[in-house]
Amino acid sequence: EDQVTQSPEALRLQEGESSSLNCSYTVSGLRGLFWYRQDPGKGPEFLFTLYSAGEEKEKERLKATLTKKESFLHITAPKPEDSATYLCAARLDSNYQLIWGAGTKLIIKP
Amino acid sequence: NAGVTQTPKFRVLKTGQSMTLLCAQDMNHEYMYWYRQDPGMGLRLIHYSVGEGTTAKGEVPDGYNVSRLKKQNFLLGLESAAPSQTSVYFCASSFPTGVVTEAFFGQGTRLTVV
Repeated sequence: EDQVTQSPEALRLQEGESSSLNCSYTVSGLRGLFWYRQDPGKGPEFLFTLYSAGEEKEKERLKATLTKKESFLHITAPKPEDSATYLCAARLDSNYQLIWGAGTKLIIKP
Repeated sequence: NAGVTQTPKFRVLKTGQSMTLLCAQDMNHEYMYWYRQDPGMGLRLIHYSVGEGTTAKGEVPDGYNVSRLKKQNFLLGLESAAPSQTSVYFCASSFPTGVVTEAFFGQGTRLTVV
């Protein structure tokens, strides 16, 4: 069964304390791995797409990486405004569908 | 540029009532989707459309119907609401998935069925 699992469910960090969020996937064929950010009361907002193992993408304090089994979202020296829920999703080779993880709620304390 | 707009933002229904959620996008996207988001679970696809006049079932279609009469609009209907349909509903749109592009989401509709 195609599945995407995110860990941890929640992560509390002090401002400036770097860490990583994990997205592990078990899918029949991966066409792309997406990361989104979701603020409370809003829809998900696109961050990155990764297509193949070894690929990395960066945006400000965020860097996403991809292996054959998982993706990491690294957050370097986070600020309170980075607090949000981070979602990952895998697009399957076989069809249109995105398989979503349940998300990691990130809280950055000043 | 509005992007994806959902109406209403909040709604409370009694069990058995019906309602329609409206999604409008101004990005000329071919594909549109309706998801529901429940605590502790990933987004789940209800129905989707690959173009004007076409619709298809997603992962959790039971109890919902959809229509796409115009390219820019995608309607989600609940004919007889049940408490299990209490959720946050998101509409999204994208270019055709042959090109691996991201989906753009609306701000969501929080629906409570009592």
